[in-house]
Amino acid sequence: NAGVMQNPRHLVRRRGQEARLRCSPMKGHSHVYWYRQLPEEGLKFMVYLQKENIIDESGMPKERFSAEFPKEGPSILRIQQVVRGDSAAYFCASSPRAGGPEAFFGQGTRLTVV
Amino acid sequence: RKEVEQDPGPFNVPEGATVAFNCTYSNSASQSFFWYRQDCRKEPKLLMSVYSSGNEDGRFTAQLNRASQYISLLIRDSKLSDSATYLCVVKRGNQFYFGTGTSLTVIP
Repeated sequence: NAGVMQNPRHLVRRRGQEARLRCSPMKGHSHVYWYRQLPEEGLKFMVYLQKENIIDESGMPKERFSAEFPKEGPSILRIQQVVRGDSAAYFCASSPRAGGPEAFFGQGTRLTVV
Repeated sequence: RKEVEQDPGPFNVPEGATVAFNCTYSNSASQSFFWYRQDCRKEPKLLMSVYSSGNEDGRFTAQLNRASQYISLLIRDSKLSDSATYLCVVKRGNQFYFGTGTSLTVIP
């Protein structure tokens, strides 16, 4: 059973470009969470999704950021018109529908905006 | 008030020492509790769940006090490989709340 898969592992974008981060949850997991971690800081919640539904996006900036988790395929975190301040590690975690309440993390995508 | 608060440390301890981390949470409706470990530039990994009765996994012991809304992690006989950031995590409904982490360095 493969773990949570994130790609790319590293992403470099110029200011103003778009960044698309992908997350495939563990098999059988239907809950996906996205977190951002700035250097030397803790994990900050961004968005919680279930298949085809955004459940809680209270941690997501109102502009330029969006997330989806389609019926088929990975969850996508999209950042439009990136700025230097978007440079961070973005972690995805997944949790099963039932049982085992813990969340399992992917290895993260390190976004660098130049 | 933050959902989860931890002493950020850093804790620098010699090999073989016993070290304890504390954590408090603000919402009494929180249902599940965990300690995660995060190595530098890596993803957080589940260390152990925390139960009201207390639980132990080798050198690691976790305790939960629901009345005080307090969680602890005790590491005995510290190893160099224990050096990491330890994250206190609570779950309420389907949402996870992370502390900012406590940094531990075990010194030879």
